[in-house]
Amino acid sequence: QVQLQESGPGLVKPSQTLSLTCTVSGGSVSSGGDYWSWIRQHPGKGLEWIGYIYYSGSTYFNPSLESRISISIDTSKNQFSLILSSVTAADTAVYYCAIFAGGRSLIWGQGTVVTVSS
Amino acid sequence: EIVMTQSPATLSVSPGERATLSCRASQSVSSNLAWYQQKPGQAPRLLIYDASTRATGIPARFSGSGSGTEFTLTISGLQSEDFAVYYCQQYKKWPLALTFGGGTKVEIK
Repeated sequence: QVQLQESGPGLVKPSQTLSLTCTVSGGSVSSGGDYWSWIRQHPGKGLEWIGYIYYSGSTYFNPSLESRISISIDTSKNQFSLILSSVTAADTAVYYCAIFAGGRSLIWGQGTVVTVSS
Repeated sequence: EIVMTQSPATLSVSPGERATLSCRASQSVSSNLAWYQQKPGQAPRLLIYDASTRATGIPARFSGSGSGTEFTLTISGLQSEDFAVYYCQQYKKWPLALTFGGGTKVEIK
C-alpha cells in the first residue's frame, strides 16, 4: 500500500519561497503511469490543483500558478517536491500531495498546513 | 479553463434518506468526471470515476450518473458516516489540466 507524507515549514514569511516535500513509501516515484501531484485547500474552501510531475520529469501546472511554481522529483530519495515563490497570505492553505492516474486520485497524503505571515 | 459548479452548496438530509448532488461543467467533459468525499481534517477519498464507476471498496449506496456537462452523485440511504463534503473533479484534458468543483456539504437534517 503506497503512502504519502508531506513535510515542510508550517510558517513562511510573505515574499519568501515555500518548499514542501512528499515522501513516498510502499511504492516508487519511478513508476510509470503515476502523476505525482500537489493539491491545496484554502481555509474552509474547496480543492485547487497546483500541478504534477511524471516520472520522466514532465510537468503540468495550474495556469494561475505556473509562473511561481516548480515541481521536481528525486528518485534517490523516493520523494517529490513543490517550490512556490513570492508567497502571499493568499497562499495560506493545507497542501496535499497525491498520486493521480487516469485523471483521478486514489492516494493522498494527510496534508500539511502552511501559513503565510510575517 | 473548464469551470465546475456544484449545487447546492449545502444539503440537509435525514439519515436513511437519499441525497442527490449536482455538478455542472462549463463545457463538455464527456465522462471524465470523478467524485470525492472529504471529512473534516481528512484528505479527500475517491468515490466515483469515469462518471459512474465506483472506486474499490466504495459501498453500492453511492452512485454516479451523467455525461457531457451535467452530472449527479446519489447517496441512497444516508448513513452517519456519509455526512461530509463532496467534490466533483473533471479530467477531460488529462494530463494537461484538471479542475474541482466548489463542493457540496451534506449535513444532518
